[in-house]
Amino acid sequence: QKEVEQNSGPLSVPEGAIASLNCTYSDRGSQSFFWYRQYSGKSPELIMSIYSNGDKEDGRFTAQLNKASQYVSLLIRDSQPSDSATYLCAVKEDNFNKFYFGSGTKLNVKP
Amino acid sequence: KAGVTQTPRYLIKTRGQQVTLSCSPISGHRSVSWYQQTPGQGLQFLFEYFSETQRNKGNFPGRFSGRQFSNSRSEMNVSTLELGDSALYLCASSLTPTGGGDTQYFGPGTRLTVL
Repeated sequence: QKEVEQNSGPLSVPEGAIASLNCTYSDRGSQSFFWYRQYSGKSPELIMSIYSNGDKEDGRFTAQLNKASQYVSLLIRDSQPSDSATYLCAVKEDNFNKFYFGSGTKLNVKP
Repeated sequence: KAGVTQTPRYLIKTRGQQVTLSCSPISGHRSVSWYQQTPGQGLQFLFEYFSETQRNKGNFPGRFSGRQFSNSRSEMNVSTLELGDSALYLCASSLTPTGGGDTQYFGPGTRLTVL
């Protein structure tokens, strides 16, 4: 059973700060990684995907991947109260269209 | 381009009944996956369909079943409902079933309550 681990939080940061969300995964062969944001009562929405080691930036979001350490993270710069949500890390089993999700980290951004 | 749609959005059933949920993927997407989300278990994979064939299956009892039609629309069915089946059921579509560089897009979900 492939596992994706996330700290459930809540992670509380003040408005304007950097929020750092972390995820580890068990399958060393995994190649595709995703971050989803889920507001309470809503469905997950894709924030970013990352496939190569290093950083990938999109606006205020930066995803970081380290395959050797089996670690993927999401940084949110200039955090806003509207970023308050649960962030789900997902790892795809590439030979099959099967995604493994972490339990999510709840982020609270305080005004 | 329209997103993934799911019907109905909310459903209330009683124990022992059965239920059918429907999902229409993004136009052009051929793979449809179903997930169950509960507060205690998080997002759990149910099954995935591509070209009317079930390609992957999660660890759920046989009461959970699904199918996909030639237009890629998918349905899932839960028979003999139990209280523990109360959950948000999410459908996700993707362009292709295998390979990297592809991702899933979720529908709004169907909130099922079993009384």
